[in-house]
Amino acid sequence: SQTIHQWPATLVQPVGSPLSLECTVEGTSNPNLYWYRQAAGRGLQLLFYSVGIGQISSEVPQNLSASRPQDRQFILSSKKLLLSDSGFYLCAWGVIGVGQYFGPGTRLTVT
Amino acid sequence: GESVGLHLPTLSVQEGDNSIINCAYSNSASDYFIWYKQESGKGPQFIIDIRSNMDKRQGQRVTVLLNKTVKHLSLQIAATQPGDSAVYFCAETPGGYALNFGKGTSLLVTP
Repeated sequence: SQTIHQWPATLVQPVGSPLSLECTVEGTSNPNLYWYRQAAGRGLQLLFYSVGIGQISSEVPQNLSASRPQDRQFILSSKKLLLSDSGFYLCAWGVIGVGQYFGPGTRLTVT
Repeated sequence: GESVGLHLPTLSVQEGDNSIINCAYSNSASDYFIWYKQESGKGPQFIIDIRSNMDKRQGQRVTVLLNKTVKHLSLQIAATQPGDSAVYFCAETPGGYALNFGKGTSLLVTP
């Protein structure tokens, strides 16, 4: 069966510091991978998605970036965090037409 | 633009009763729909999906109904239990890589 991992689970970072969140998927090959952000009490905002190694599509222009160095690894990064980057970050994997499956999430607080 | 929305932001039901959570969508090209359950501090959990060539699909204690004429989706939970308390999201896609999510309905199950 497929599993998806995210780490860290929680993170507190000062404004202006860098960020690296990692997501890995097991039990599937060549999945579509997604990064979402969820603000408190709000819905899910798609940030990036990838259909293959090295392929990244950005949905929202901002100071975040994503990379996919391996088939089942997806990384979310920032060079300098802003207060507005605080939120719950979710990684998901999926196949077109059969839905998306989410990881446990990372709670990021920028102070 | 096209959007997915929920009729009720909160729903309170008594344990043992049936719950119905509604969702309206506006994209007539949407052909795949998913319901997710999100417990506090966790990632969304895939509950059940339905394709546009179906009107009804049943799972374990859950049923999804799709009315394409009025662009309406509902999730029915039979014999609601305390463990069903969560936020429920509907999501839709016209067949692309991304899902469009509603903002969610909070379901509270009271004893």
